[in-house]
Amino acid sequence: GAGVSQSPRYKVTKRGQDVALRCDPISGHVSLYWYRQALGQGPEFLTYFNYEAQQDKSGLPNDRFSAERPEGSISTLTIQRTEQRDSAMYRCASSLEGGRNTEAFFGQGTRLTVV
Amino acid sequence: LAKTTQPISMDSYEGQEVNITCSHNNIATNDYITWYQQFPSQGPRFIIQGYKTKVTNEVASLFIPADRKSSTLSLPRVSLSDTAVYYCLVGVPLTGGFKTIFGAGTRLFVKA
Repeated sequence: GAGVSQSPRYKVTKRGQDVALRCDPISGHVSLYWYRQALGQGPEFLTYFNYEAQQDKSGLPNDRFSAERPEGSISTLTIQRTEQRDSAMYRCASSLEGGRNTEAFFGQGTRLTVV
Repeated sequence: LAKTTQPISMDSYEGQEVNITCSHNNIATNDYITWYQQFPSQGPRFIIQGYKTKVTNEVASLFIPADRKSSTLSLPRVSLSDTAVYYCLVGVPLTGGFKTIFGAGTRLFVKA
């Protein structure tokens, strides 16, 4: 696609429910990143993939958070048993190459609200 | 991980040159310095990247001294539409990827 696409754009869920956030990176981009951004703060790194391999998940807050990219393209960030503190903007980014510093392209994000 | 320090906010007027300086005292040999811009309700957008000396593109210039412990983003003749948050990042290259750590950024407010 022309850019990084995230869906849904907005998600309201009840506390305790599971949610799945989707990221469709730019075609051909090898690396994919997930960030979480609270209002007025910079993006907080969660995890990233090189192709289908999850290279670093050190930023995932706890074991309720998981991510996958099974075919090296679309990625899903899953939050189980959501809590109100999970409410934030979740952003996905992709870059053309891994292994060196390259420009990351960000999607519009998914605004998650846990009520 | 190299930590960055930059001003929380800056004000400027239209037509002025704006320089935002970032400190990264613990930058590693392989790290590059990258700046992103973020408007409200949008994702960060790449502005410029450099390793040393000076880099210039159609949007900005990046000045990096020889010791690479700081860098300065220069925006020539800013306009109202340059009002945004600017992030200074030091990339941590890892196997097959690039882990980018964002700080709080600098909020630039351009006034008429």
